[in-house]
Amino acid sequence: DSGVTQTPKHLITATGQRVTLRCSPRSGDLSVYWYQQSLDQGLQFLIHYYNGEERAKGNILERFSAQQFPDLHSELNLSSLELGDSALYFCASSLRGLFGTDTQYFGPGTRLTVL
Amino acid sequence: DQQVKQNSPSLSVQEGRISILNCDYTNSMFDYFLWYKKYPAEGPTFLISISSIKDKNEDGRFTVFLNKSAKHLSLHIVPSQPGDSAVYFCAASRVNNNDMRFGAGTRLTVKP
Repeated sequence: DSGVTQTPKHLITATGQRVTLRCSPRSGDLSVYWYQQSLDQGLQFLIHYYNGEERAKGNILERFSAQQFPDLHSELNLSSLELGDSALYFCASSLRGLFGTDTQYFGPGTRLTVL
Repeated sequence: DQQVKQNSPSLSVQEGRISILNCDYTNSMFDYFLWYKKYPAEGPTFLISISSIKDKNEDGRFTVFLNKSAKHLSLHIVPSQPGDSAVYFCAASRVNNNDMRFGAGTRLTVKP
């Protein structure tokens, strides 16, 4: 158990809909990262927040947005969903904001299926 | 664009033997490299890392080698154990640029 929790575990929805994925980091961690893993693909970095502020953006679509709240939990909002958005979405946390060198602790992921 | 490549989608080895997982990268600006292990239905778990100023880092049964001139890194697991059966991802980052790229992963199966 990494200490990072993600809800829900599974999500099935229809094209055009909007969903929110939630992540609670490990106690004491200030950074939250979001990743997408599509079928047979590596992890694609989406976005990084540190202590409530956006620090870095990766391959995140304009239809997607995220935020980190004062209690440090984070939400990833996916809107106007398309079939291709079906994927595993991972959240990770780390103690500091050093993206490359900080050990990241991953949650179990949310599996999103868009029908 | 795939800046980090793991060209072997799968690898099978016998228990007790050495497992060698390979990773190639194209961007010479990457300065930190990591390996993660992932079991089914779980998130990736950090395994070992190496800075670009080193060519080897060892942690118990796990050793990572970095060949900067070839833009290649490898993970050696000796001896391999059935519990090592998992998907292994390599990742490369540019620390001062907030950039990290992952390979597609290699599924390792260690047979008893």
